Amino acid sequence: GAVVSQHPSWVICKSGTSVKIECRSLDFQATTMFWYRQFPKQSLMLMATSNEGSKATYEQGVEKDKFLINHASLTLSTLTVTSAHPEDSSFYICAADRGRSNTGELFFGEGSRLTVL
Amino acid sequence: AQSVAQPEDQVNVAEGNPLTVKCTYSVSGNPYLFWYVQYPNRGLQFLLKYITGDNLVKGSYGFEAEFNKSQTSFHLKKPSALVSDSALYFCAVRDQSGTYKYIFGTGTRLKVLA
Repeated sequence: GAVVSQHPSWVICKSGTSVKIECRSLDFQATTMFWYRQFPKQSLMLMATSNEGSKATYEQGVEKDKFLINHASLTLSTLTVTSAHPEDSSFYICAADRGRSNTGELFFGEGSRLTVL
Repeated sequence: AQSVAQPEDQVNVAEGNPLTVKCTYSVSGNPYLFWYVQYPNRGLQFLLKYITGDNLVKGSYGFEAEFNKSQTSFHLKKPSALVSDSALYFCAVRDQSGTYKYIFGTGTRLKVLA
């Protein structure tokens, strides 16, 4: 149980285009989803926290107009990288929280590697 | 502010030997601590957590971790390492001040040598 599906796994796009990454909790309802960015050989950087039906809370330094996050349902959150540029190339990972308590573990998607040419 | 530190970028251990991956934490209040593992180009997988109770926590794949309040540590251990344990390991603490965000350490790359 507690499976999180993230799609696409790999995406290559041209500079200036937008890319949407989907994160779905397959067998549970995720009250909160977190979006992380991971640079090579580095830790995870939290980009934003999204709660179903409300606006995402972005971390300091993350451009909310560039990284659009939507959490339209309890099983789906999307991250759209708008007008992507080569510096946006990275590994993006979503994580879902069941929300049963504040002591629970996160369930991670498999990650999406974005390459912007 | 809550934080975790993983002092080692990489740990090398021979197959069959015991392994330890270190983590220290700094929190206000009760620490809620987690270990996750990441294989190349994959998301993170939950290994174990400490919330309360016994200081020795057992988790997936034969891993365990020891919570030490006096040393503010939560080291990950395994009695006998496997080559397949080679991966990136992250220690994390869950913020209890209201945001409930997870704060991850910088990660430790474990390499088990055959």
